[in-house]
Amino acid sequence: NAGVTQTPKFQVLKTGQSMTLQCAQDMNHNSMYWYRQDPGMGLRLIYYSASEGTTDKGEVPNGYNVSRLNKREFSLRLESAAPSQTSVYFCASSGRQGIVQPQHFGDGTRLSIL
Amino acid sequence: QKEVEQDPGPLSVPEGAIVSLNCTYSNSAFQYFMWYRQYSRKGPELLMYTYSSGNKEDGRFTAQVDKSSKYISLFIRDSQPSDSATYLCAMSDNYGQNFVFGPGTRLSVLP
Repeated sequence: NAGVTQTPKFQVLKTGQSMTLQCAQDMNHNSMYWYRQDPGMGLRLIYYSASEGTTDKGEVPNGYNVSRLNKREFSLRLESAAPSQTSVYFCASSGRQGIVQPQHFGDGTRLSIL
Repeated sequence: QKEVEQDPGPLSVPEGAIVSLNCTYSNSAFQYFMWYRQYSRKGPELLMYTYSSGNKEDGRFTAQVDKSSKYISLFIRDSQPSDSATYLCAMSDNYGQNFVFGPGTRLSVLP
């Protein structure tokens, strides 16, 4: 059982380049999330999708876009990467909408922007 | 004031010690409380999940919630070197769309 799978695991970009981080879950979860984790700041929510077809901004959405491709997949796109977006990005999913369930995380994408 | 406060550590203890990890929070709407363990270069892994006040035990781990004080704790008994990791607390309101994480406490258990 893979759980939450993130690709790629590592990436180095130059300022201004774009890229898409991929996330897929096999737990039939309705809700999916994108976080960034920076030293001393903990996990900060970028965007979330409560269900297929919906997305909402989190705490730090500027510079990012998301797509909930289907129930399994939720991608995060950086249109024009900036050094401030150097971080570790985590995707998470949680169970049925309307009942609070804990989130389950992937192992992250380590992104460096030069 | 941050919504969730957690001592970042690092906390170093000898093998076999009882470890106490704590978080305080300010939002009285939080009803669901979680503890995650995060090893270096890995994602957070769910350890404990509790609703409202009280205690929950799972093996060597005990989670405690005191909503009147807005204070939650995780106790680890008979700590092992394999428990060395960063521990994150997390909490949510009844709607599940406002998950808030603490910054994490780094724990080292020395053999």
